[in-house]
Amino acid sequence: GENVEQHPSTLSVQEGDSAVIKCTYSDSASNYFPWYKQELGKGPQLIIDIRSNVGEKKDQRIAVTLNKTAKHFSLHITETQPEDSAVYFCAAPYKLSFGAGTTVTVRA
Amino acid sequence: DSGVTQTPKHLITATGQRVTLRCSPRSGDLSVYWYQQSLDQGLQFLIQYYNGEERAKGNILERFSAQQFPDLHSELNLSSLELGDSALYFCASSVGPGGGVNTEAFFGQGTRLTVV
Repeated sequence: GENVEQHPSTLSVQEGDSAVIKCTYSDSASNYFPWYKQELGKGPQLIIDIRSNVGEKKDQRIAVTLNKTAKHFSLHITETQPEDSAVYFCAAPYKLSFGAGTTVTVRA
Repeated sequence: DSGVTQTPKHLITATGQRVTLRCSPRSGDLSVYWYQQSLDQGLQFLIQYYNGEERAKGNILERFSAQQFPDLHSELNLSSLELGDSALYFCASSVGPGGGVNTEAFFGQGTRLTVV
């Protein structure tokens, strides 16, 4: 099966600063890496994903980078805003296994 | 709105009882995943069905069972409930079978189960 490790577990940043969350995976056959955002009282929502034939993908203030050699992928949030405060999960496609989650708090 | 519908939204029941949670996937999605999320915990994968067949199994207790019906909706049955089963239960759906194939998944709003 697929193991996904996510770090850090909590992250507090000043509004306007950047936030980076990293996940490592074990199955070298993995080829699809999504990131989900879960706001309080809601289900997780897909915010960005990357496929293994690209190294980076951007969507406005968020980006995901993939290093297949090192088996890790990262979520980057730039110019953080209060509405970015949430729990973020990475996932690997086998069993749609999720990392443990990162609680991001953006300080005003 | 993700298009995934879970019912009921809230459920309170006593220890030892049995409950059934229901999930209707997005139109066209063949996979349904079930997850348990306890307080301050991550998403624990329970089980996946694809087009009516069990596709993958996680750390699902023997007291729990699930099925996917011909119309693709799914039910998660929890029996002999214990206090520790209190949690949010989410289902998600995707088009493909997962396991390396694109697995863009959409989550429902969850069922909050409280066992008293």
